[in-house]
Amino acid sequence: AQKITQTQPGMFVQEKEAVTLDCTYDTSDPSYGLFWYKQPSSGEMIFLIYQGSYDQQNATEGRYSLNFQKARKSANLVISASQLGDSAMYFCAMREGPSGYALNFGKGTSLLVTP
Amino acid sequence: DARVTQTPRHKVTEMGQEVTMRCQPILGHNTVFWYRQTMMQGLELLAYFRNRAPLDDSGMPKDRFSAEMPDATLATLKIQPSEPRDSAVYFCASGHGQGTDTQYFGPGTRLTVL
Repeated sequence: AQKITQTQPGMFVQEKEAVTLDCTYDTSDPSYGLFWYKQPSSGEMIFLIYQGSYDQQNATEGRYSLNFQKARKSANLVISASQLGDSAMYFCAMREGPSGYALNFGKGTSLLVTP
Repeated sequence: DARVTQTPRHKVTEMGQEVTMRCQPILGHNTVFWYRQTMMQGLELLAYFRNRAPLDDSGMPKDRFSAEMPDATLATLKIQPSEPRDSAVYFCASGHGQGTDTQYFGPGTRLTVL
């Protein structure tokens, strides 16, 4: 069964607007971590933001924030004030269990920021 | 600026040849992961190590793939013999193995098997 689901294969957003990329996850483990990575056309995987299952507050990192709804098992990434350089693939990933375990990745969402 | 390094960045080889990919994890990280990315399968785990000991290699075809960590600064992934279906980008990632345990990825090795 798919552990991470990203239902939006592609998204468009206009420069300076905010955009939400969806991610739902499936786990029965009470301890887990959720990650978002950005993969630009150059191919590298860039870590953006992390949310732990026990964290009380939604994570924020600059223009990135994570809308964590535990009961719904969703961890949507919000990018505020989009920039042209935000055009990339975005992957949601989950680590089940404590630290030191591998990540399960979603299929990704391709984001295109237009002028 | 600590980074995961991988060599080679690109490799083109013929079917049946041996391929060796190398990874230098970030100094002080005790977990090392190998992932493979293809258009069809996306990102999938091949193997990973903690404190140089293999923890899980269930994602690897055992008959042709092998992963090792001869020391704390080097992880290797070998394919012998290589096949066209092995064509993919192979990423190495490393992490602290504790706390938020963010995994930091290397630039990847793009492998093409003809």
